[in-house]
Amino acid sequence: DAGITQSPRHKVTETGTPVTLRCHQTENHRYMYWYRQDPGHGLRLIHYSYGVKDTDKGEVSDGYSVSRSKTEDFLLTLESATSSQTSVYFCAISPGDPALDTQYFGPGTRLTVL
Amino acid sequence: AQKVTQAQTEISVVEKEDVTLDCVYETRDTTYYLFWYKQPPSGELVFLIRRNSFDEQNEISGRYSWNFQKSTSSFNFTITASQVVDSAVYFCALGSSNTGKLIFGQGTTLQVKP
Repeated sequence: DAGITQSPRHKVTETGTPVTLRCHQTENHRYMYWYRQDPGHGLRLIHYSYGVKDTDKGEVSDGYSVSRSKTEDFLLTLESATSSQTSVYFCAISPGDPALDTQYFGPGTRLTVL
Repeated sequence: AQKVTQAQTEISVVEKEDVTLDCVYETRDTTYYLFWYKQPPSGELVFLIRRNSFDEQNEISGRYSWNFQKSTSSFNFTITASQVVDSAVYFCALGSSNTGKLIFGQGTTLQVKP
């Protein structure tokens, strides 16, 4: 199994509060991703990183920001959480091209925004 | 546009039955990859298979087999002699060299009853 951990695994927060989710990998893979999973939508890409300090937006990036200061860590921040951001968040990693290489997923973080 | 359609939202079978999960994709790219992932009730996403657009050979792995047909833009997944442990949500995904992203279908929930 790919060495990917996510923290926290569960979080309940209130609308308007900032939230940061952390993804940590031990595989030294170049690419890291944040997805959200919602019923009826499958997985949707929020942001991804192709190297330290190199990030780009996915299809549902509004309301989210990311940072990657080290190869092994990729942070997802909700600056001011809203109820629509209640979801399960998955981090993924791949050694190369996001579309061509296999992406391996972390265990997920269940976030509830009240 | 890139799109993945898993028309079967839920499938229920009795143990030992064979079951096929359908996946139809849309892309104008000549180079692309197709993936299947399994999400058991525990929630993690498990990689099952990756297939490139130039390899139309069917693949068999134990009770699992995949049928890739470019003529119908389909990449179907068959489980032979299903078992209760096969109960999960299964996602098909398309990786396109043009978009540089992985696009997921909405998933098919498979329930295998004893």
